[in-house]
Amino acid sequence: DTEVTQTPKHLVMGMTNKKSLKCEQHMGHRAMYWYKQKAKKPPELMFVYSYEKLSINESVPSRFSPECPNSSLLNLHLHALQPEDSALYLCASSQEYSTDTQYFGPGTRLTVL
Amino acid sequence: GQQLNQSPQSMFIQEGEDVSMNCTSSSIFNTWLWYKQEPGEGPVLLIALYKAGELTSNGRLTAQFGITRKDSFLNISASIPSDVGIYFCAGLPAGKGAQKLVFGQGTRLTINP
Repeated sequence: DTEVTQTPKHLVMGMTNKKSLKCEQHMGHRAMYWYKQKAKKPPELMFVYSYEKLSINESVPSRFSPECPNSSLLNLHLHALQPEDSALYLCASSQEYSTDTQYFGPGTRLTVL
Repeated sequence: GQQLNQSPQSMFIQEGEDVSMNCTSSSIFNTWLWYKQEPGEGPVLLIALYKAGELTSNGRLTAQFGITRKDSFLNISASIPSDVGIYFCAGLPAGKGAQKLVFGQGTRLTINP
């Protein structure tokens, strides 16, 4: 089983709202990732968690706040977003960070009004 | 940083035709991955390549890890309508320390029935 699940599938929020994206995997992977993808572009890395610790933050604005409550779960907390933050947000996981194949979830389509 | 040049950017073919796309870089990679992405969904792993010269098939798909470790190609034989989508190559660069996955810009495949 190589499944990564993400909820919700779609999210519409105003610029003053607070919302969270959720990601889960049960493959025993120790690395989890958040990516942002704009239309017709490849995914762009945002954050990497390795063994539940934040390893990489790609200079992401603080209105995006990641959290890794345990080895199977990854959250992305959103607050005071801008319309340009509208995108497909993808979660991925791999056995270990950097050396292993990444498996992606189906994504959350976020629209900021 | 490392870049992957993926070509062609788009392909318009007839059903039943064979398809070929490739990725090249000036840097050496340890792993090559090929993903397919359909609208509104996350990238789905098609083939993973871990060794220079490796040739791997997945049904009608065949991919190779170039001998120089700087390129990879993906072939699709006898295309069918469900092959439509965007195909991304991705690679894990060689080098010391943790490396981030590098993506090509994608090849958009359109099939005329």
